[in-house]
Amino acid sequence: GAGVSQTPSNKVTEKGKYVELRCDPISGHTALYWYRQSLGQGPEFLIYFQGTGAADDSGLPNDRFFAVRPEGSVSTLKIQRTERGDSAVYLCASSSGAGVDEQFFGPGTRLTVL
Amino acid sequence: GQNIDQPTEMTATEGAIVQINCTYQTSGFNGLFWYQQHAGEAPTFLSYNVLDGLEEKGRFSSFLSRSKGYSYLLLKELQMKDSASYLCAVRDHGRGSTLGRLYFGRGTQLTVWP
Repeated sequence: GAGVSQTPSNKVTEKGKYVELRCDPISGHTALYWYRQSLGQGPEFLIYFQGTGAADDSGLPNDRFFAVRPEGSVSTLKIQRTERGDSAVYLCASSSGAGVDEQFFGPGTRLTVL
Repeated sequence: GQNIDQPTEMTATEGAIVQINCTYQTSGFNGLFWYQQHAGEAPTFLSYNVLDGLEEKGRFSSFLSRSKGYSYLLLKELQMKDSASYLCAVRDHGRGSTLGRLYFGRGTQLTVWP
């Protein structure tokens, strides 16, 4: 079946602009996670949703970052007033909430802030 | 917080065996995962340990000792395609839920030579 998909695959923006990154999880997966990964580092947790609600948003670095999942499926990560330090690969993952409950990752969105 | 430590780089030759170690400190342990990540691609799930001992899965095995905060990933009969970054990740209990965020190490870049 289809895996996790993310759009766009690449996003180049200017400092101070607003961006939205989209994630389509695996159908039926109740949990959805956002991470970001800088070069040479492991993924860093941002936020996770159980259904429509944010179960843990403690990884969001500041109030410029916000994420929604209004219908419990697709999620959007929103970044306001982007800064050069926001440049990274933003990864989305989903899990079924059952068994081992491993997280399946999407291909990521590479965000570059000029 | 959590502290995940693994070597930055390792090299090995085709057909050999390599062991990648991971040590961790965590307040709410709920499983340890190993992921493989090829350059420019998403992490893919390899193995999961929640109880002490060895889990074997084809050419890959993973070991866990919770009392020592230690895990290793063992790769046998190495192939060129095994050249990738290997990420150790610990799952936290999260906020009142059996689901939880993953804390990743920086990854171990494995290079397999012919």
